[in-house]
Amino acid sequence: DQQVKQNSPSLSVQEGRISILNCDYTNSMFDYFLWYKKYPAEGPTFLISISSIKDKNEDGRFTVFLNKSAKHLSLHIVPSQPGDSAVYFCAASVGATNKLIFGTGTLLAVQP
Amino acid sequence: GAGVSQSPSNKVTEKGKDVELRCDPISGHTALYWYRQSLGQGLEFLIYFQGNSAPDKSGLPSDRFSAERTGGSVSTLTIQRTQQEDSAVYLCASSYYFDEQYFGPGTRLTVT
Repeated sequence: DQQVKQNSPSLSVQEGRISILNCDYTNSMFDYFLWYKKYPAEGPTFLISISSIKDKNEDGRFTVFLNKSAKHLSLHIVPSQPGDSAVYFCAASVGATNKLIFGTGTLLAVQP
Repeated sequence: GAGVSQSPSNKVTEKGKDVELRCDPISGHTALYWYRQSLGQGLEFLIYFQGNSAPDKSGLPSDRFSAERTGGSVSTLTIQRTQQEDSAVYLCASSYYFDEQYFGPGTRLTVT
């Protein structure tokens, strides 16, 4: 039972445009959400997070939006750069357990 | 400072053999996590250590899997009588209490 779903396995975007990566979850107990970025042969690195008490969190070119009623979150990257090309994982947790449940990832390719 | 390190980076073993995977967390981090990523899947939580508390083993897929953390630092994940379905990338992460998790580069395990 996949509690965190990333239905798009891949996404291709032109440099300078917006990249929108989507994530859906089924467990209404999740109250903390994160995005991780992963390059080949490296471990995932933390990108941005959001608590369930918020609906938006912004950090530079990266913004995460949370829609609790739809159990949906998205990551916006504006403007997209070739160095953003990587696999992006959405993750969620319940409370302060820090036990993360990950989605299957979306491979983002930013074309120069 | 040094990040999370894992060894070996690659391990090929025959079905039925035991394997040990090692993780060296970031110095001073209190929590240590093991995840695995099978082909086409997201990261799957395996086990979590926090300080001197009893580990959360709820993600271990079978009793062939075990992990220990010695002296609150280095951890070893042991898989006994390996099966082909154990083939995956095994990732270790550490954090300072419930702060951001930092991941190592992973160990790619192939069971032939």
